[in-house]
Amino acid sequence: AAGVIQSPRHLIKEKRETATLKCYPIPRHDTVYWYQQGPGQDPQFLISFYEKMQSDKGSIPDRFSAQQFSDYHSELNMSSLELGDSALYFCASSFVNEQFFGPGTRLTVL
Amino acid sequence: DAKTTQPNSMESNEEEPVHLPCNHSTISGTDYIHWYRQLPSQGPEYVIHGLTSNVNNRMASLAIAEDRKSSTLILHRATLRDAAVYYCTPSGGGADGLTFGKGTHLIIQP
Repeated sequence: AAGVIQSPRHLIKEKRETATLKCYPIPRHDTVYWYQQGPGQDPQFLISFYEKMQSDKGSIPDRFSAQQFSDYHSELNMSSLELGDSALYFCASSFVNEQFFGPGTRLTVL
Repeated sequence: DAKTTQPNSMESNEEEPVHLPCNHSTISGTDYIHWYRQLPSQGPEYVIHGLTSNVNNRMASLAIAEDRKSSTLILHRATLRDAAVYYCTPSGGGADGLTFGKGTHLIIQP
C-alpha cells in the first residue's frame, strides 16, 4: 500500500539559511499535518491543511510557513534557521480520522 | 487541549496481555480518544480510537471508562515488535492536530 512520502530524508543547513521540506500524502487523502520532534522529545504539532486551506495551527514559529497545493502535496518552508530547529519533521495525511505518518525528514542545523 | 497522564514506562513478557492506562480527565464531550505508538526511529503509527464504546481492531482493544475520563489500551498478546512508546491523545478528529504528551515506554521481555 502507498505510504506518505517525505523528501528529502536528510537535510543539513547552516544557521540563518532556509529549508523546504516536501510531503506527498497517500492518494485520496485530503488532509496533511506537520509535526516536529526534537531529540529525546515527543512529537509537537505544527500545522494542518484540509482541502488546501489551513485548518489547525499548533506551535509553529513565525519563521515557518506551509501550504498545500492543488495536487494535495504540502511544503514546509523554514527561514532564518536556528540550532534549535534541528529535529525530525514528520508529515502525516488522513482521509477521515486515522493519521498516517511518513518516515520523517531529519534536519540538522549547524 | 485535554491533558493526559500515562505511566512513564511499563514492562511485560512476550505473549502476555498488556494493559496501558491513560487518564484524560479534562477531555471534552466531543473528543475522540486516539492511541498511537512510535517505534524507534519511525514516525508515529495509529493503533486505535474510540468515542464512548469499547473498540476492537486487529492490533488492540480500547476500553473507555463510562465517564470517559480514562481509557486502557489492551494488547492481547504482546510481541517483541510491540516495544514502543504508546501515546493516548484526545482529539476532535478531522484536521485537528494531535497533542502527544509524555507517553508510556513499553518494554517487552522475551
